[in-house]
Amino acid sequence: AQSVTQLDSHVSVSEGTPVLLRCNYSSSYSPSLFWYVQHPNKGLQLLLKYTSAATLVKGINGFEAEFKKSETSFHLTKPSAHMSDAAEYFCVVIASGGYNKLIFGAGTRLAVHP
Amino acid sequence: EPEVTQTPSHQVTQMGQEVILRCVPISNHLYFYWYRQILGQKVEFLVSFYNNEISEKSEIFDDQFSVERPDGSNFTLKIRSTKLEDSAMYFCASMDMTSGSTQYFGPGTRLTVL
Repeated sequence: AQSVTQLDSHVSVSEGTPVLLRCNYSSSYSPSLFWYVQHPNKGLQLLLKYTSAATLVKGINGFEAEFKKSETSFHLTKPSAHMSDAAEYFCVVIASGGYNKLIFGAGTRLAVHP
Repeated sequence: EPEVTQTPSHQVTQMGQEVILRCVPISNHLYFYWYRQILGQKVEFLVSFYNNEISEKSEIFDDQFSVERPDGSNFTLKIRSTKLEDSAMYFCASMDMTSGSTQYFGPGTRLTVL
């Protein structure tokens, strides 16, 4: 069965420093992986997705993620954090079965300090 | 840009009452989903809906829950007799297979059962 594990529940960075949010996946086949972001009192917004094309995926707001099959990882990075990046981030995988059910990680809350 | 909308944004109800959560998916999408997020927990899948029928449902989605697409635009989730543990944020999502399995989420309805 597919699953994702987000390795950090909370990450705190200073504005202007790099962001790294870690995600490991478990899948019996080549997975489709996503990162979604949830700002306070807002819905879930798609940041980026990997669907077996290029392993380095660029998303919105300067975020990118690299699919590493050997490490079963899909970590999210950004070179320079902005205050507006403070939010909850979810690593997500599509479950097998054909109906595209999404399986969410537990989330990582990113805090950005001035 | 088209978006998924949900009403109401907040719903407070008494235990045992029926509630209907409403969603308007993106107009040309054919696949519809409900997820929920209990405070402090993961976002979890409830049900998927395609071609006017449920395609997959989770263990959570018992006889107290039902979904309906009453017309060409709305997609509803009904909880027949609410329990305290139904208190959660409920997210609707829709998808068009041409968008590469990307689900677009609404802003959510916060349901509080007293």
